[in-house]
Amino acid sequence: GQQVMQIPQYQHVQEGEDFTTYCNSSTTLSNIQWYKQRPGGHPVFLIQLVKSGEVKKQKRLTFQFGEAKKNSSLHITATQTTDVGTYFCAGYSSTSGTYKYIFGTGTRLKVLA
Amino acid sequence: DTGVSQDPRHKITKRGQNVTFRCDPISEHNRLYWYRQTLGQGPEFLTYFQNEAQLEKSRLLSDRFSAERPKGSFSTLEIQRTEQGDSAMYLCASRGSYNEQFFGPGTRLTVL
Repeated sequence: GQQVMQIPQYQHVQEGEDFTTYCNSSTTLSNIQWYKQRPGGHPVFLIQLVKSGEVKKQKRLTFQFGEAKKNSSLHITATQTTDVGTYFCAGYSSTSGTYKYIFGTGTRLKVLA
Repeated sequence: DTGVSQDPRHKITKRGQNVTFRCDPISEHNRLYWYRQTLGQGPEFLTYFQNEAQLEKSRLLSDRFSAERPKGSFSTLEIQRTEQGDSAMYLCASRGSYNEQFFGPGTRLTVL
């Protein structure tokens, strides 16, 4: 079945450093979403990528969708303590006749002040 | 607050008991998901509704798990004969017009 892996599992950075998490799917995706979950909270939608090679920016966050639509990345420039949390990607494949999103394993970010 | 509510927020039960959780999605959303999340893991798909129709169920949804959305509005998830392995956070999400999922605060289940 479809699998979505994320690396790294954990990342500790000093405030001001950059951070990147990578998401890889075993199958080609129709779209990919990114979510942030703060400690003790629920996932919050950040963005959706649909097109091959798509790049979207939200302030200090840059999201990329790979050319083959099987991988994606989230890059945070100059991290702040408010960036702390777990970042999940969630992949969707319409060709497999499914409605479900497969969430990645997540990358837990800790920012040291 | 995303507008999705779940009740109860916490449930402690003894093994073998039945439990039922409720999710109230954003009113104009006709698509609804249930997920299970354990510590350190991503949300794991359980089931999907479009209006009142249950269009997909995970294989993880054994015969002890059932979900309904009788009028296409709120949804319930029932677990019969709970086991300790059922202890987890149960999340509901309603899906918006751009496919974004709005998650509720979740119901944390502890099976003793």
